[in-house]
Amino acid sequence: DAKTTQPPSMDCAEGRAANLPCNHSTISGNEYVYWYRQIHSQGPQYIIHGLKNNETNEMASLIITEDRKSSTLILPHATLRDTAVYYCIVRVVSYDKVIFGPGTSLSVIP
Amino acid sequence: NAGVTQTPKFQVLKTGQSMTLQCAQDMNHEYMSWYRQDPGMGLRLIHYSVGAGITDQGEVPNGYNVSRSTTEDFPLRLLSAAPSQTSVYFCASSYNRGRYGYTFGSGTRLTVV
Repeated sequence: DAKTTQPPSMDCAEGRAANLPCNHSTISGNEYVYWYRQIHSQGPQYIIHGLKNNETNEMASLIITEDRKSSTLILPHATLRDTAVYYCIVRVVSYDKVIFGPGTSLSVIP
Repeated sequence: NAGVTQTPKFQVLKTGQSMTLQCAQDMNHEYMSWYRQDPGMGLRLIHYSVGAGITDQGEVPNGYNVSRSTTEDFPLRLLSAAPSQTSVYFCASSYNRGRYGYTFGSGTRLTVV
């Protein structure tokens, strides 16, 4: 699996968009980008994933650059409940040893 | 549909004791795995299974055993607990090799004294 780099922490004002970056400059053509979050010691929660097209679901949007070397997770209207650690992972679907790095600790501020 | 259920939620062991952490899922997922999480760190993969009867090692398998006799259950055994195994343990499951993401349990907080 390709290595990812995320900032260790970020702040976001409540109601504003939270943009969480992830660098994966060594990503391979068959590796997907996945995002998870972990709220205060709960089990991680799957958010979204994509290969090369931008993706949107009810939780977030995923923007992947054209060269696929980086991506951004967007929470359009952050709330206090979005305070969590966000993990960016790249993996080939058939690869089972999924590794979670330290992630980005997002604090949503009132 | 309970998702992924882990028991117990909390456990204190003495050094050298053995125990089994239970993980069960009711989603007919073929893939299951165990992670441990230490303070301020990400999740490290201990063992995983791609189906009943099939298990393999992750990043940090030493000191842990697993077996997968049914699709639903994937217990994690600590044969002789050590203080270094004090951690929070998460079980995860998925179908289609995790293509649509993993579902995690709520965790077991284990302290070894």
